[in-house]
Amino acid sequence: SQQGEEDPQALSIQEGENATMNCSYKTSINNLQWYRQNSGRGLVHLILIRSNEREKHSGRLRVTLDTSKKSSSLLITASRAADTASYFCATDAIDYKLSFGAGTTVTVRA
Amino acid sequence: EPEVTQTPSHQVTQMGQEVILRCVPISNHLYFYWYRQILGQKVEFLVSFYNNEISEKSEIFDDQFSVERPDGSNFTLKIRSTKLEDSAMYFCASSETGGFGYTFGSGTRLTVV
Repeated sequence: SQQGEEDPQALSIQEGENATMNCSYKTSINNLQWYRQNSGRGLVHLILIRSNEREKHSGRLRVTLDTSKKSSSLLITASRAADTASYFCATDAIDYKLSFGAGTTVTVRA
Repeated sequence: EPEVTQTPSHQVTQMGQEVILRCVPISNHLYFYWYRQILGQKVEFLVSFYNNEISEKSEIFDDQFSVERPDGSNFTLKIRSTKLEDSAMYFCASSETGGFGYTFGSGTRLTVV
């Protein structure tokens, strides 16, 4: 299986702090995507990084990809209460279906 | 911004009943997908659909499941005889090209009682 697995499972931080979560996967990928899910709601696409990219930024988000280690990280800088959510990595291989990890639940305390 | 629309947002059905979950993908997208998330668990791939046929399906997608694109805009998931364990959030997604530009709908919460 090429499923992504996030680490840590849960993260609690103070507003204004940075949140870092990691994702590991098992097989070669075309790209890796990060999604956010507020409790009981839909999946919101955050960022996609292609297998030939090493780092990507979008607003307060920074994603890195290390294909040699089969791992990715998502950094949220200057966190806000609204960032409280579950974050999932999803890997895409040649067959275009996404394999999701179990997610990291982030709680940002005011 | 274009959206994937799913209806209904929440459906309650009795065990053994048939349900149809509906999705309107983004109009210029060519690939369509259904995913499922049982409460508290991972999002799981069910099926992908391209060029009017299933391109891949998971082991979850057994004979009680079917998908259809009955017209140029709708994409449906039918569960013929629902079981309690079918209770989950079902997400439809579409992409312009395979693997890129994925857009998910907001999901249908199916509760089987």
